Amino acid sequence: QQQVKQSPQSLIVQKGGISIINCAYENTAFDYFPWYQQFPGKGPALLIAIRPDVSEKKEGRFTISFNKSAKQFSLHIMDSQPGDSATYFCAATLLLVNTDKLIFGTGTRLQVFP
Amino acid sequence: EAGVTQFPSHSVIEKGQTVTLRCDPISGHDNLYWYRRVMGKEIKFLLHFVKESKQDESGMPNNRFLAERTGGTYSTLKVQPAELEDSGVYFCASSRRVNSVYEQYFGPGTRLTVT
Repeated sequence: QQQVKQSPQSLIVQKGGISIINCAYENTAFDYFPWYQQFPGKGPALLIAIRPDVSEKKEGRFTISFNKSAKQFSLHIMDSQPGDSATYFCAATLLLVNTDKLIFGTGTRLQVFP
Repeated sequence: EAGVTQFPSHSVIEKGQTVTLRCDPISGHDNLYWYRRVMGKEIKFLLHFVKESKQDESGMPNNRFLAERTGGTYSTLKVQPAELEDSGVYFCASSRRVNSVYEQYFGPGTRLTVT
């Protein structure tokens, strides 16, 4: 059973456009939702994260929108750039003491063309 | 500060052989995690160390996998004997608490191919 479902699997966006990646989760106890960015040959790196007590978090061109009632959250990349081309993973976890394993989605490969 | 390092970066072995992966966490990080990504699928949790103790090993697939963390520093993940379905990229991560959140930093991964 996949606890975090991510879509789309791949995404092609023109430079300057908006990239949107969606995730849905099952466990209502999850209380921390990070997004990771991975470039080829590198490990995933934390991009931005949100807790369920807020509906939106923005950092530069990256925004997370969170809908607690629908159990969904999404990543929006504004003014997408070729340098944003990477694989993006959503994740969820429980912030219990010493038990915070990440549950990942399947990843979205984003390609931004000039 | 130096990041999480993993060795080797690639390993190709035959079914039935043994492979040992190594992870060096960021200095001072008590938490160390192992994850695995099988091609096209999600990154899956394997286990979590706090210092030298196994805190959570609920993701370990079976007893062919053995993880250790000597003296609470580096960690090894041994697969013995390897099977075809063990192929994938094995990531190690380490963390420290920042504002009540354990931010996990990932290594570049070890790509394991079992033929």
